[in-house]
Amino acid sequence: DADVTQTPRNRITKTGKRIMLECSQTKGHDRMYWYRQDPGLGLRLIYYSFDVKDINKGEISDGYSVSRQAQAKFSLSLESAIPNQTALYFCATSDAGHLGSYNEQFFGPGTRLTVL
Amino acid sequence: AQSVAQPEDQVNVAEGNPLTVKCTYSVSGNPYLFWYVQYPNRGLQFLLKYITGDNLVKGSYGFEAEFNKSQTSFHLKKPSALVSDSALYFCAVRRRSGGSYIPTFGRGTSLIVHP
Repeated sequence: DADVTQTPRNRITKTGKRIMLECSQTKGHDRMYWYRQDPGLGLRLIYYSFDVKDINKGEISDGYSVSRQAQAKFSLSLESAIPNQTALYFCATSDAGHLGSYNEQFFGPGTRLTVL
Repeated sequence: AQSVAQPEDQVNVAEGNPLTVKCTYSVSGNPYLFWYVQYPNRGLQFLLKYITGDNLVKGSYGFEAEFNKSQTSFHLKKPSALVSDSALYFCAVRRRSGGSYIPTFGRGTSLIVHP
């Protein structure tokens, strides 16, 4: 987990506030991902990036935006937080794998976000 | 269409007994399949993967998984469960999205190993 770090680890905010979650990695991987985890729903992909100039929407991107500041940094923003964005958020990284396909991911420790 | 399914929300097993956590998939082409484990208050950790080759894949902490193409399954197994194996387990499969491959995760199965 130390190879992928997330800040903050816990955050309580109010409806309508802007919040940014940050992710840094020392794995040297090109690919980075943001997920949210909700009980009973598993992990759902919010955004992913295959390199610094590549940003792609995942399953549930509405209400979120991302920035890939460098190969090692990928941040997730909630422009105007709402209560149903209360969840556990994970950042993950991976390399390209065999023939540029998908390979296993390495996850950060998570950020627990509560929107009141 | 759902790409991966974990039919059991929870699996209970006694310590020392064999355990199985089930996963079925639905993707076109060759499936790349993965298992991850999540301990309380931690991120997910990679356990093992199947890409090609032997249908029985061995991974971390004594876990293994069997790829069954005819049944489109990739069940996670361990011959003798430990209390410390109690955790949340996720199956994942790669799926095509445009010109790329991205992962899709199952909803997770909570494994409880009783002393």
